[in-house]
Order: sequence, then C-alpha cells, then structure tokens
Amino acid sequence: EIVMTQSPATLSLSPGERATLSCRASQSVSASLAWYQQKPGQAPRLLIYHTSNRATDTPARFSGSGSGTEFTLTISSLQSEDIAVYYCQQYDNWPPALTFGGGTKVEIK
Amino acid sequence: EVQLVESGGGLVQPGGSLRLSCAASGFNFRSYEMSWVRQVPGKGLEWVSYIGGSGTSMYYADSVRGRFTISRDNAKDSLYLQMNSLRAEDTGVYYCARERERVLLYYWGRGTLVTVSS
Repeated sequence: EIVMTQSPATLSLSPGERATLSCRASQSVSASLAWYQQKPGQAPRLLIYHTSNRATDTPARFSGSGSGTEFTLTISSLQSEDIAVYYCQQYDNWPPALTFGGGTKVEIK
Repeated sequence: EVQLVESGGGLVQPGGSLRLSCAASGFNFRSYEMSWVRQVPGKGLEWVSYIGGSGTSMYYADSVRGRFTISRDNAKDSLYLQMNSLRAEDTGVYYCARERERVLLYYWGRGTLVTVSS
C-alpha cells in the first residue's frame, strides 16, 4: 500500500500570505496526484488533478507541482474563504486502491 | 449540472445491515465510473469501493471486502452500497463520487451519515 504523508498538520497564516502544503508518497506515484479541499461542514471538492491541473472552478491562486514522491499545493495569496482542510490523494496504483494523506488544516491568523 | 444525492444512512446496531443509495442527475449515468468514500467524523478520508460504468468491474478496500457490496442500476441512475456485518469502525459520512478525465473522485455528493452503535 502506498502511504501518503502530509505536512504540516496545521498551517496558520495571515490573509494575503503564501501557503505551501506538502505531500509525500512512500513510493513513486508519477504524476497521479490530486488535491481536495474540504471546508467546515461540507463535502470534499476536487481542486487539482494530475499534479497540476486545476479542476472546474478552482481559482488561479491555487497551483500544484511535483512528481514522483514529493508534491506541493500552493495558495499564492491566502483568502478567508480558503479556510479548510486540504487532502492529497494518489491514484497511481489504481486499481486496486486509492489512498489519501491525513490532511493539512489551513487557518487564518 | 452534475448532482449526486446520497441517502439511506442512519443508526444501526453492530452486526446489522444498511443499504445506501446515491441518486445521480445532470449527466449520462451509465457512461461514468462511480465510487464510495467515507469519513469518520473529524477524521480523514477513506476510499471504500468502485464500480465501472457497466457494473461488471468492482473493487473494494481491504477494510470492507466481503462485507460491503457495490452495485448500480443504470436505468434508475442510481448507485448503491449494501453494507452487512457492520462494525463500530464503519461509522462515518459516506460520499458517492463520479469520475471525469480519469480522475475517479472528480464530483462528490454531500454525504449520508452512518452510525453503528448499540
């Protein structure tokens, strides 16, 4: 099983600051990496897929990068509506399984 | 507009059964692969099961294999998850999700809460 590890667990920043979220895979997942945003009380929403492709309606301030085992989600200028938990997920060894990271909670300072 | 609406959640005793449904609309349901994902309240996400568009290909997480069965009725635009031999650790919000551009979990429903407790 591929294990996904996210860091930090919590990120506290001021509005307008740059947020950098990390995701590490226990083995290479090529570019088969997605990021999801889950706001309080809501279902998860796909933000980024295939490492760097923005999903429908994802604002341009969100960008993804990386390859192999190291990936990054960047929010270029943090907005109050970005308060959420962000999960990475690999789909390289699909089938038979998809695995998620433990999440990074983004807070506004 | 793609819409996925889950139902069927509730309180069930350990060892009991429950059948979840996901009603799909806004797209040609039979053309898309579907999945179930769950989330323990306050915790992370866990993929549970997958079914191909024709219903002949299915996959399960190790934690539910042999107890859960995924199915679909393309004539009714509906996805199902039959859950048997339920355990306390199956408690959580269950989401259905649709594929797009080879991303299995592109669109998500709002979820339905399952509580396994005596």
